Amino acid sequence: EAGVTQSPTHLIKTRGQQATLRCSPISGHTSVYWYQQALGLGLQFLLWYDEGEERNRGNFPPRFSGRQFPNYSSELNVNALELEDSALYLCASSRDPGQPQHFGDGTRLSIL
Amino acid sequence: GIQVEQSPPDLILQEGANSTLRCNFSDSVNNLQWFHQNPWGQLINLFYIPSGTKQNGRLSATTVATERYSLLYISSSQTTDSGVYFCAGNNNNDMRFGAGTRLTVKP
Repeated sequence: EAGVTQSPTHLIKTRGQQATLRCSPISGHTSVYWYQQALGLGLQFLLWYDEGEERNRGNFPPRFSGRQFPNYSSELNVNALELEDSALYLCASSRDPGQPQHFGDGTRLSIL
Repeated sequence: GIQVEQSPPDLILQEGANSTLRCNFSDSVNNLQWFHQNPWGQLINLFYIPSGTKQNGRLSATTVATERYSLLYISSSQTTDSGVYFCAGNNNNDMRFGAGTRLTVKP
């Protein structure tokens, strides 16, 4: 089966712009999770979507938002980009909440 | 939220050596996973192990849920084992990661 796919692989933006990151879960998985891995800050939970609804979010400002589509794919939107948003953004999916999460290869977002 | 502590933070091994990585949780977790992040940033799921012991080749893991810790054993290490090992768990469907153990295996 195909794994979790993320696009784009790399994204370069400037301060103040908006970024959209995409994630396709493993077929049959309904839960999608977003994580940020910034330099020196480790892996931090961002958002969790299940069955099209936002179920939980981490300690991030409202300019981090997203959605899950009927086919369970997901978008992460980051508005008003700041330099500290530069990070690897990882998406994961699981068959059900609480089941093992499987990760994509990530999108590396660089803010100039 | 739960706190996750991993030890050691860094580990340097000679190829062929064995190692044990530890993960402590501040509270009980509903599930626990071990991941390996390779030098290219890819995060690979190693074990889903909320309790008990599992083995996969040279790797094995043990979770003692009642004492809120998990151990990852790497035997006969190889240079391809290098990278960062993360444990993660959740008790409210927001998975919390430890800071990781950076493993370097030298030839």
